[in-house]
Amino acid sequence: QLVLTQSPSASASLGASVKLTCTLSSGHSSYAIAWHQQQPEKGPRYLMKLNSDGSHSKGDGIPDRFSGSSSGAERYLTISSLQSEDEADYYCQTWGTGTHWVFGGGTKLTVL
Amino acid sequence: EVQLVESGGGLVQPGGSLRLSCAASGFTFSSYEMNWVRQAPGKGLEWVSYISSSGSTIYYADSVKGRFTISRDNAKNSLYLQMNSLRAEDTAVYYCARAGPPGPAAMPDYWGQGTLVTVSS
Repeated sequence: QLVLTQSPSASASLGASVKLTCTLSSGHSSYAIAWHQQQPEKGPRYLMKLNSDGSHSKGDGIPDRFSGSSSGAERYLTISSLQSEDEADYYCQTWGTGTHWVFGGGTKLTVL
Repeated sequence: EVQLVESGGGLVQPGGSLRLSCAASGFTFSSYEMNWVRQAPGKGLEWVSYISSSGSTIYYADSVKGRFTISRDNAKNSLYLQMNSLRAEDTAVYYCARAGPPGPAAMPDYWGQGTLVTVSS
């Protein structure tokens, strides 16, 4: 069964960088994913599609501070030069059979 | 500018019905697959339903199959979700999401702001 695993929380200081991880379940390491940001009390916002080879394509207006990379079954979202507005929940998402879209549990990022 | 605006949420008793709408603008609605995704209070995102660009192909999550019906009106640039036999566990913010770019493995590239559905007596 396809499962996306994310750490529930992460924190980093203003101006620093942070790397969030999304892990694909066994047998699904070739899958592409997408990253989405959800600021408090707002709808989600698409950040990027991230392929297994680390190539990625970002959504409209997404700053260069957001980048993606991959290693095996791990998919990463790196945010550099952290700003206060980056404090949000971050979800990874992919495609499952039967269940059309599958989401990870989300990581709550705190900017210190 | 792509915009998705949901409406129709509210308080409904268990067993009741509600119809959600999503008004789309800023893109050629008839060319895109659309989805509903929900988020229970304090929880993560859960995919609910999918409809192809023409409306000919539809999928549902097991949790809503047989109770919810997705539809669209391409002439009105609108997406709908008819929710019947509502349960307390259907309480959530419901988002419509565009699947893009058109083609296989399209992803939720635009989201609405959501509409809250509360099922309670």
